[in-house]
Amino acid sequence: ELKVEQNPLFLSMQEGKNYTIYCNYSTTSDRLYWYRQDPGKSLESLFVLLSNGAVKQEGRLMASLDTKARLSTLHITAAVHDLSATYFCAVDDWGGSNYKLTFGKGTLLTVNP
Amino acid sequence: EAQVTQNPRYLITVTGKKLTVTCSQNMNHEYMSWYRQDPGLGLRQIYYSMNVEVTDKGDVPEGYKVSRKEKRNFPLILESPSPNQTSLYFCASSFGRRYEQYFGPGTRLTVT
Repeated sequence: ELKVEQNPLFLSMQEGKNYTIYCNYSTTSDRLYWYRQDPGKSLESLFVLLSNGAVKQEGRLMASLDTKARLSTLHITAAVHDLSATYFCAVDDWGGSNYKLTFGKGTLLTVNP
Repeated sequence: EAQVTQNPRYLITVTGKKLTVTCSQNMNHEYMSWYRQDPGLGLRQIYYSMNVEVTDKGDVPEGYKVSRKEKRNFPLILESPSPNQTSLYFCASSFGRRYEQYFGPGTRLTVT
C-alpha cells in the first residue's frame, strides 16, 4: 500500500524567510502533484512533476522530484503572507491497473508579517 | 468557464436518510473521482471512474455508491448515511488518470 508522508505538518514562518516542505512516498512512482488549499476553499493544482529530476517554479514556489529517493520538495523563497495555505502532495500509485491517487496529510503554512 | 460543480454545497441530514451529491464537469474529462477530507487525515479517495460505466473503489468506499452513466456527471450516493460520514467531500476530474485534477468547490455534509 502506497504511503505518502509530508513534513512538517505545521509550519509557521516569517515573511522574507525561506523554507522547504518534504514529501516522501513508499513505492515506485514517476509522477507527483502539488496542490494548494486556501482556508475554506477547494484545492488548486500547483505543479505536476513528471520524471526524475523534474523541477518546476512558479513565483516564490519551486518543486522538485527525486524518484530514486522517493522524495519531492516544495521550496518557498522569501515567503509572503499570501502564501499562507495548506499544501498537499499527491502520488500516482504506479501499480499497473491501480489508478488510485494518494495524498499526503498536508502542510499548513502560516506566514507571519 | 471550465469548472467542476457540486450540489448541494452544504447538507445536514439524519442517519439513514438516503442522499445524493451531484458532480458535473464541462471539460470533457474522462477521469472523475470523489474524495473526503477529514481533519488530521487529509484527503482520501472514495471512488474513481476512468470513463462512462467504468468505476472502481478508492481507499474508503464503504457506505458509498457511485455511477457514471454520462461522461460529465459522477454522483455520489449515500444509501444509509451514518454520523461517521460527516465530512467535507470533493469531486475532481482530469483528462486522464495521470493528469492534474480539477476540484469542485466541496460539499460539507453533516449526519446527525
